[in-house]
Amino acid sequence: EPEVTQTPSHQVTQMGQEVILRCVPISNHLYFYWYRQILGQKVEFLVSFYNNEISEKSEIFDDQFSVERPDGSNFTLKIRSTKLEDSAMYFCASSEVFTGVDGYTFGSGTRLTVV
Amino acid sequence: KQEVTQIPAALSVPEGENLVLNCSFTDSAIYNLQWFRQDPGKGLTSLLLIQSSQREQTSGRLNASLDKSSGRSTLYIAASQPGDSATYLCAVPLGGNNRLAFGKGNQVVVIP
Repeated sequence: EPEVTQTPSHQVTQMGQEVILRCVPISNHLYFYWYRQILGQKVEFLVSFYNNEISEKSEIFDDQFSVERPDGSNFTLKIRSTKLEDSAMYFCASSEVFTGVDGYTFGSGTRLTVV
Repeated sequence: KQEVTQIPAALSVPEGENLVLNCSFTDSAIYNLQWFRQDPGKGLTSLLLIQSSQREQTSGRLNASLDKSSGRSTLYIAASQPGDSATYLCAVPLGGNNRLAFGKGNQVVVIP
């Protein structure tokens, strides 16, 4: 069964450092997403990406965040200057069509710890 | 604004009992509803996807129903096993865009 792959599984970084979280979506999917889950909280939407541009972003996704599809397979989330409150599990997801009519497939997540 | 609520937040059942997990959402204009399983510290595994035109969806011991008009979905897990211990999340796409709104989850412990 096709998978969404995320690396690394766990990253520890110092406050103020830049981090890049990487994802390989399912190859025939066209829509890509980042979500995050702070410990004990709901999974929250960050951003969706289609046709090499952001299609939607949440209030959380401020100027500290950026996404990129640097090549035909990878999808990255960059946090420019990490804060303690960025500590969370970050999930990448992909879907074949806009409405997710075939559902969304999530990766296994990257646990980001900012110290 | 779509709000997704899951009740109960946590439950423990002895092995073999059936599980009933509830999800409610405030905006019934949904394309579909998806149930996920999350093990502690792990990713989201899709269990069932119910389209808005469907009333239920089944996979093995899992059955999910959808009542769009009343804004409710129920996940039934028959004959629970210790391996079913996990958090179960329901999620709906927000009308007009393709972001998902999640509930906080039903945390299940099945006691051997």
